[in-house]
This record gives sequence, C-alpha cells and structure tokens, in this order.
Amino acid sequence: DGGITQSPKYLFRKEGQNVTLSCEQNLNHDAMYWYRQDPGQGLRLIYYSQIVNDFQKGDIAEGYSVSREKKESFPLTVTSAQKNPTAFYLCASSTRDSFNNQPQHFGDGTRLSIL
Amino acid sequence: AQSVAQPEDQVNVAEGNPLTVKCTYSVSGNPYLFWYVQYPNRGLQFLLKYITGDNLVKGSYGFEAEFNKSQTSFHLKKPSALVSDSALYFCAVRFDTGTASKLTFGTGTRLQVTL
Repeated sequence: DGGITQSPKYLFRKEGQNVTLSCEQNLNHDAMYWYRQDPGQGLRLIYYSQIVNDFQKGDIAEGYSVSREKKESFPLTVTSAQKNPTAFYLCASSTRDSFNNQPQHFGDGTRLSIL
Repeated sequence: AQSVAQPEDQVNVAEGNPLTVKCTYSVSGNPYLFWYVQYPNRGLQFLLKYITGDNLVKGSYGFEAEFNKSQTSFHLKKPSALVSDSALYFCAVRFDTGTASKLTFGTGTRLQVTL
C-alpha cells in the first residue's frame, strides 16, 4: 500500500537538544510538506519542498530545518532555537502539478514533547 | 491574502440527524476548497474538494459540501450523522506559489455525534 510513514510516533526533547522527525513516502510524489498542529490553531506550514534538493520556508520556519536529498524522504529537525516545540507534527505529500488539484496525503504524525 | 474561517469550535448532533459544519473563505481569484477529517492521534484524511462546476460536491463516507460564491461559503453536510463521524474537521483553501500547491487551513471544528 502506498502512503506516508512518520516516525517516531512519540518523541521527547531535552532542553538544548536537536531532534529529527522522519517522513518517508512511497507515493512517488514530488512535493512534500511539514505542518505543526496546536490545539485551536489548525495546521501551520513549517517548510515545503517541490522537488529534490529544493525547499522553501513556510509560515513558521524559525527554529526548524529540513533537507530533501531523496524524493522519498523529507526529515524535519527541531532545533534548540525552537523555544516552544511541544506540538503534533504532520508530514504531507502531493503531486507537483498544481493544475490537477490533487489533495495532499498525510502521515499519522509525530507528537513531540519537552522533558 | 487567502484565509478560511470555521466559526464553530464544536458542533453537536444526534445520530440520524443531518449535520452541517460551516466554512467561509477569502481568496483572490478562483477558490479551490477542500475538506479533511482527522481522528484522534491520526493524520488528516481527504473528504472532498471543490474546483469548478456543480456547487454541490459529493465526497467520501456520505459527506457532501455546498459551494456558495455569493456568501463565500463551503459548508460540509451529511443527511444522517453516525456516531463514527465524530472527529475533527478542517476546511482548507489552496493557493499557488509557482508550481507549489499550498493549503491554508481553518482552525478546525470538532463534531460530536451522540446516540
């Protein structure tokens, strides 16, 4: 079955520590996205990538970094500069062609908490 | 700038009764609108989309949505609610930057269906 796999499901971060969230897709999608979900605030876009070796900042990129070395993978690093990292993080992917209006497909998320 | 508003944090309905979850939008140009559903500790699942054409859009699990251009609304509806429909529902509007397809999400509406 094609889909998006996020790991781990739960993650704990110590003060001053960087942590990396994994996102892998086998849908052959060019575009991938990272969102942060907080209660009552909906989803906010952190970073997105349209193609391998290219990515763009979203609305709340400060304190986060990404890489896109492979089409299938789009890991997100939450750095120590992100002072309020506790949230539910969702990865998504879609076809690159915006003209066919295909929906984004989502993984099941990683819940990050501070120790 | 594009935006969506979901004016109700929670909607309560009895099983078997019709349900409506409200969404209004603000975009420049043609609106491309989506509804997603989220179950606890899971990612978002696509329900339906409006691109063009008929104002009544049919989607998954018996859901439908009515596009109203004059009222800039895209309300989600179902003729007969089920307890299993209880979840968090998000409305989203698509906008384009180059060839990237990005979504702006509403803050979500929690649907509670009771026996």
